[in-house]
Amino acid sequence: AQTVTQSQPEMSVQEAETVTLSCTYDTSESDYYLFWYKQPPSRQMILVIRQEAYKQQNATENRFSVNFQKAAKSFSLKISDSQLGDAAMYFCAYTGANSKLTFGKGITLSVRP
Amino acid sequence: DTGVSQNPRHKITKRGQNVTFRCDPISEHNRLYWYRQTLGQGPEFLTYFQNEAQLEKSRLLSDRFSAERPKGSFSTLEIQRTEQGDSAMYLCASSSTGTGIEQPQHFGDGTRLSIL
Repeated sequence: AQTVTQSQPEMSVQEAETVTLSCTYDTSESDYYLFWYKQPPSRQMILVIRQEAYKQQNATENRFSVNFQKAAKSFSLKISDSQLGDAAMYFCAYTGANSKLTFGKGITLSVRP
Repeated sequence: DTGVSQNPRHKITKRGQNVTFRCDPISEHNRLYWYRQTLGQGPEFLTYFQNEAQLEKSRLLSDRFSAERPKGSFSTLEIQRTEQGDSAMYLCASSSTGTGIEQPQHFGDGTRLSIL
């Protein structure tokens, strides 16, 4: 069975600074996808970024980028130029052949003005 | 693209009652997923459909839970004889089947169930 681990329950970052959220996973599959989702308080889960395991190049989406280390099974999210609107719970998620998402426990990110 | 729609947003009921939730996926999406999220945790997979076929059910889905997706459009999730432990946010997501590429799932706002 696949597992996703987010060991940091909370992080805080100063507005305009950079923060990195950690995630590790375990799988025996060779073909899979990894995602970061953002869930603001009482609001909808939104896809932030995704990475295909077969791609060596790290995904980027504007201020969001990932550091995908396949051998280490590590998938961290870097948020540059942090904004107040980035404050939310962030979930790392995995999907493989069975299409269902397996989520980590999430990390609460706060942004200090 | 109107997004994934879930109704009701909140449901409060007494223990032992039956409840039914509805999910309307994004119109062109043929896959529909149900997840359950308890406070402070990540969502857990319950079941998913491709068109009208229910392809997988989690062991979390006891015999009190049933999901349907008639005609491959909207889906309903019913919980019979609700228990305190059923209190959670029930999330619906939808996606399309791409050509060899897993398409991302888009989530609705969820239905928050509270059992008194």
